Amino acid sequence: NAGVTQTPKFRVLKTGQSMTLLCAQDMNHEYMYWYRQDPGMGLRLIHYSVGEGTTAKGEVPDGYNVSRLKKQNFLLGLESAAPSQTSVYFCASSPRGPDSPLHFGNGTRLTVT
Amino acid sequence: AQSVTQPDIHITVSEGASLELRCNYSYGATPYLFWYVQSPGQGLQLLLKYFSGDTLVQGIKGFEAEFKRSQSSFNLRKPSVHWSDAAEYFCAVAPNTGNQFYFGTGTSLTVIP
Repeated sequence: NAGVTQTPKFRVLKTGQSMTLLCAQDMNHEYMYWYRQDPGMGLRLIHYSVGEGTTAKGEVPDGYNVSRLKKQNFLLGLESAAPSQTSVYFCASSPRGPDSPLHFGNGTRLTVT
Repeated sequence: AQSVTQPDIHITVSEGASLELRCNYSYGATPYLFWYVQSPGQGLQLLLKYFSGDTLVQGIKGFEAEFKRSQSSFNLRKPSVHWSDAAEYFCAVAPNTGNQFYFGTGTSLTVIP
């Protein structure tokens, strides 16, 4: 049982480049979330999804897009990377949303130069 | 404004000493409450959760937390800290209206042998 798997684990981008982070979960969870973690700021929600084909904005959505074409996958895209997007990105899933705990992946460390 | 506050950025305790990590929140009705732990380079792992009922909840690794409605607090405790408890601890809140989880900024725990 892999749980929540994030790929890649590390990535370095130049300003203006694009990339997609993949999150896959094998627990049949309905809800999926993308967070970014920055020193002293905790985890901030970028986007989330309450089911296949749905997405919604979180606290810090600017500069990011997401897609949930399949229930098990939640993709986070950066169309034109900026140094301010240097962060550790975490994906999490939950069976039913707020009344069930989040299950986290191990994160993707992204550096934008 | 809605928020989750962890007032202690960093705490140092001696091995075997007791521990209390503070968490306060400002959301309307009683939300769902969680504590997570993050070891270096890892994702977040659930320690315990409070949804309703008994205000003292037990979690994994010998941790417990007490919900106090009058103080809007959900403090994490452990009677005797082990060196392996050194990590970052996050309090999280999920309002029972909506689909989002909100995290505090975290408390970093150092354990002195």
